[in-house]
Amino acid sequence: EVHLVESGGGLVQPGGSPRLSCAASGFTFSDHCMSWVRQAPGKGLEWVATIMQDGSETYYVDSVKGRFTIFRDNAKKSLYLQMSSVRADDTAVYYCARASTDTAYRPLDYWGQGILVTVSS
Amino acid sequence: DIVMTQSPDSLAVSLGERATINCKSSQSVLYNSNKKNYLAWYQQKPGQPPKLLIYWASSRESGVPDRFSGSGSGTDFTLTISSLQAEDVAVYYCQQYYANPQTFGQGTKLEIK
Repeated sequence: EVHLVESGGGLVQPGGSPRLSCAASGFTFSDHCMSWVRQAPGKGLEWVATIMQDGSETYYVDSVKGRFTIFRDNAKKSLYLQMSSVRADDTAVYYCARASTDTAYRPLDYWGQGILVTVSS
Repeated sequence: DIVMTQSPDSLAVSLGERATINCKSSQSVLYNSNKKNYLAWYQQKPGQPPKLLIYWASSRESGVPDRFSGSGSGTDFTLTISSLQAEDVAVYYCQQYYANPQTFGQGTKLEIK
C-alpha cells in the first residue's frame, strides 16, 4: 500500500527556512515524479513544485521561485521542500503527492495527510 | 498560466439525484499528439487530503464508484455524480496537468439538500 508521510511543519517566524520532508513507502519511489501542493486555511489547492523521478528537472509556481527548493533522495525514498524567506502567505497545509508515472504531466494519484506550516511572529 | 474556473461555487442536491459540476480552462488542455485531455478531478472531504477521482477527463481511477463520471474536451469539462450518496459530500476540484504551473479550479462545495 502506498504511504506518503510529511514532517517538518510547525510555527515558523517570517523570514525563516523550514524544511519539509515526505517519507514514501509501498511503491518504487524512483519511478515516479513527485510534487508538493499546498492549501491555505479555508482555501483551495495550489500546486507548488514538481521534481522528475531522477531529480534532473524541477518546476515551481512563480510565487515560490527562488525561495523554495524541491529535491529528493531516491535511496532514502524521501522528498523534501526546502523553504526560505517564508512569509505569512506561505501559511498552509503542505501535501506531498505522487504523479501517476515518471513524467511531470500526470495526475496526482496518491497524497499524504499533509503538514501545517504556520508563518507568524 | 492556465486559469481553471469551476461552476457553481456550491451546490445542494437531494440524495439519489444527479449532481453536475463544470470546469472551464482558459486555454485548451487537449494535447493533439495523443488526443488526451490533461484534466483531472479530485474529491476532498473535511480534514482529508484530496483523492483522485477522474483523469484524462473521463477515465475513472481504480476503486472510484461508477456513479462518478467525467466528460468534456478542449476547454469545457463536467463531473457528474449520477445518484448522490451521503458520503459524496465534499469539495471537488478540477486540475489541469497540461502545463506548468499546474492549476486547480477554486473548488465546488457539494452538500445534501
